[in-house]
Formats: sequence, C-alpha cells, structure tokens
Amino acid sequence: GQQLNQSPQSMFIQEGEDVSMNCTSSSIFNTWLWYKQDPGEGPVLLIALYKAGELTSNGRLTAQFGITRKDSFLNISASIPSDVGIYFCAGHGAGSYQLTFGKGTKLSVIP
Amino acid sequence: ETGVTQTPRHLVMGMTNKKSLKCEQHLGHNAMYWYKQSAKKPLELMFVYSLEERVENNSVPSRFSPECPNSSHLFLHLHTLQPEDSALYLCASTGQLGNYGYTFGSGTRLTVV
Repeated sequence: GQQLNQSPQSMFIQEGEDVSMNCTSSSIFNTWLWYKQDPGEGPVLLIALYKAGELTSNGRLTAQFGITRKDSFLNISASIPSDVGIYFCAGHGAGSYQLTFGKGTKLSVIP
Repeated sequence: ETGVTQTPRHLVMGMTNKKSLKCEQHLGHNAMYWYKQSAKKPLELMFVYSLEERVENNSVPSRFSPECPNSSHLFLHLHTLQPEDSALYLCASTGQLGNYGYTFGSGTRLTVV
C-alpha cells in the first residue's frame, strides 16, 4: 500500500526559531494535508493542498505541495510554546477513500 | 455542542467484555470515519460511512463492529478484544466523501486487560 515517510521524527527548538518538516511518498498523491495533534486531543487540520506546486499559508504556517506530487513541506516561522505537539502529514491518491498518514513529527519548543 | 464528540474518553475493558464507543457530530457532515491510533504507527483507517452506508472496511477484524444509525451518529461495538487492540480510537467527519479536511473528535483511549 501507499506509505508516507515523515521527517524528522522529533525536534527540539528554541522559541522564536523557524521549523521545517517534510513528507515523502512512494506514490503520487492528489491531495496533501497537514494536521496538528495536541496531547489528549484529536488531530486538527492546519492546511490542505490540492495542486502540485501550490504554496499555502495559515498564519505562521506555510505548506507546499511538491511539484512531483510525491512530497510536501510544512514550515513554521517564529515558533512559540503553543506550537508544541505532533504534526502529521496526510495524503490522498486515487483508488480509495483512504487518507494515508505519516507517523508524525513531535515538536518541542524550549522557552 | 459543536464539532465531533466522542464518548467515553477513556475505557478499560477485559477481553471478554462487550462495550461500545460513540461518536456524534452536528456539523451537517455526511461522511464519518473510524481511525485507530497506536503508538509509533500511522493512523489506520478502520471504517468509512457515507450517508449511513458503509463504503469501506479496511480489513478490520470482526471483533470490531461499526454502526451508523443516522448521519450524525457513529458507533464502534467491541467484543472479545485482545490486548494489542489497546489504542486511541478516533472518529472523524467530513462534509462529503472525497473531502479530506477531516474534523476529528478527541478520541477514546481504550485499554484492554
């Protein structure tokens, strides 16, 4: 089946620093999404991308749909303590109603 | 109540018990999903419902039995579970099938003893 490789698995950064994480796929996706999960909660949608090359922002977050349609990137600028959590990429390809999720990037922000 | 609500938040059950997880949404969404989240593994899709009809069953063991009595409610009936079934079970909904901007509930943390 389809698999997503999300990296890094975890990162510790200083407050105010910028953050980058990415996802790569073994197959082409038509939709890429980024979610954030806080402890004890379900994932919350941050950004959805629908077109190859698309660059979309949501406040301090910016995500890109890779030109090859096999990757996506999420950047967080000027991190703050409430950015702490697990960030998941997810992608959808043709053939089923299934979203494929990455294993997540655990972000820790040091004040 | 807004969003997707899941009850109970925590559940401990023995392997011979029968229990049910409940999910409720009042977002007017037509598609609902059950996902399983285990430590260090990606979210795994279990079941997909659209307009109360099951459209996908992702090779889930029969000890998990979903039920969707109407477009606002989704249940997951559990019986004779195994310890490896311990996980966070997440319900999600979207406006319609093919829309992947899910709204997730907070999940039910299930422990099988």
